Order: sequence, then C-alpha cells, then structure tokens
Amino acid sequence: QVQLVQSGAEVKKPGASVKVSCKASGYTFTNHYMHWVRQAPGQGLEWMGIINSSGGATRNAQKFQGRITMTRDTSTSTVYMELSSLSSEDTAVYYCARDPSPGESHVFQFDSWGQGTLVTVSS
Amino acid sequence: DIQMTQSPSSLSASAGDRVTIACRASDNIYTYLNWYQQKPGEAPKFLIYEASSLQSGVPSRFSGSGSGTDFTLTISSLQPEDFATYYCQQSRSPPYTFGQGTKVEIK
Repeated sequence: QVQLVQSGAEVKKPGASVKVSCKASGYTFTNHYMHWVRQAPGQGLEWMGIINSSGGATRNAQKFQGRITMTRDTSTSTVYMELSSLSSEDTAVYYCARDPSPGESHVFQFDSWGQGTLVTVSS
Repeated sequence: DIQMTQSPSSLSASAGDRVTIACRASDNIYTYLNWYQQKPGEAPKFLIYEASSLQSGVPSRFSGSGSGTDFTLTISSLQPEDFATYYCQQSRSPPYTFGQGTKVEIK
C-alpha cells in the first residue's frame, strides 16, 4: 500500500531554514506528482506547492514565492521541501500528499498523506 | 484566489443522524471540489473527488453533490468513527484552497 513517511519534528529560530523529507513506498514514485500542504496549530489546511517526482519541475503558491524549494531524489523515492526565512507564522505541521493522477497529468487532489512534520519557529 | 466557505463551522449530532455540510466557492469551480476528513492528531483522509465521486474504500454513507459554487457533503447515518473535522478543497485554480473546516461533534 502507498506509504509516505516524513522526517521528524524540527525547532528553528526565526530567519532560519528547514528541510522536510518525505519517503514514498508502495507505488512507482516517478508516476505521481507530490504536493506539500501545511496546517498551523488549530487552523485549516494550506496548499504550498507541487513537484513532478519524475522530472523535478515545481510550481508553488505565490505566497511562498522565493522562500520554498522542492526537490526530489528518484534513487531513494524521496521528496524534500525547504522553507527559508522562517517566522513564527510558519509554525505548522507540514504534510506531503500524493496527487492521485498517474503519469504527466495531475489533478490537485491529495489521495495519500504523510504523517506530518511539526515545525516550530521560536526564538 | 478562490475563497472556500464552509457552513456550519461546527455541529453536534448523534450516531445515526443524517448530517449535511455546505461548502461555497467565491467563483465558479465547476465540479473541481474535493472533501477530506481529519481526526485529531492525524493526517487528512481523502473522501470524495470531483464533487460526487467516492474515493475507493470510503463507506457509501458518504456522498457529495453540487456544481458551480455550491456543494454539499452528506453523511447518511453518522457512525461513531465519523466524528471529525471535514474540509472541502477546490482543485480548479491555484492556489488550491481549502475551506476552514466543519467540526462534527458528539451531541
């Protein structure tokens, strides 16, 4: 079955960067795009961006332009999300989530999710 | 950005009740509307896609309807495991926004 396993919780100081990983298994990694979605404490869900797990092309929400970098390593079936210039407003649980559409299409739905990575930004 | 507004924000219901949650989009999203269930401390779970299609493995008591700007999620007979927060999400245009959530609590 599809499994997405994320890296552990992080505590960062304001201005720092954080890199979260998401290791996929149970399906052909390069066949599905991957999204990143975050959730601030007690708040709703926010889409951050998408990466082509095969070719590596990315697209992100305008809100994160210049601060987010998404990459992938096909040899380990892992995607990464790095967020820079952190502030307290970036304190959230960060999820990777698979796009269900196989191949080059993507439908911006999220059919399987990682367990989440809590990132706390505090001085 | 397309704004997604859910109503109510919370509701109390008993097991066996029929529950309906509404979701309204600020612009026409055709049927590019998806629903998720989230329990405390867990990742969201994919329930319904394209307004009315049930994701594989999701019980048939869940159903979705609507098009354009107005959508509903219905649980025909609430089960104890259904007490959770439900989110709608539009997949029509970026950023792919979510509603603020509807918390379904035990009466």
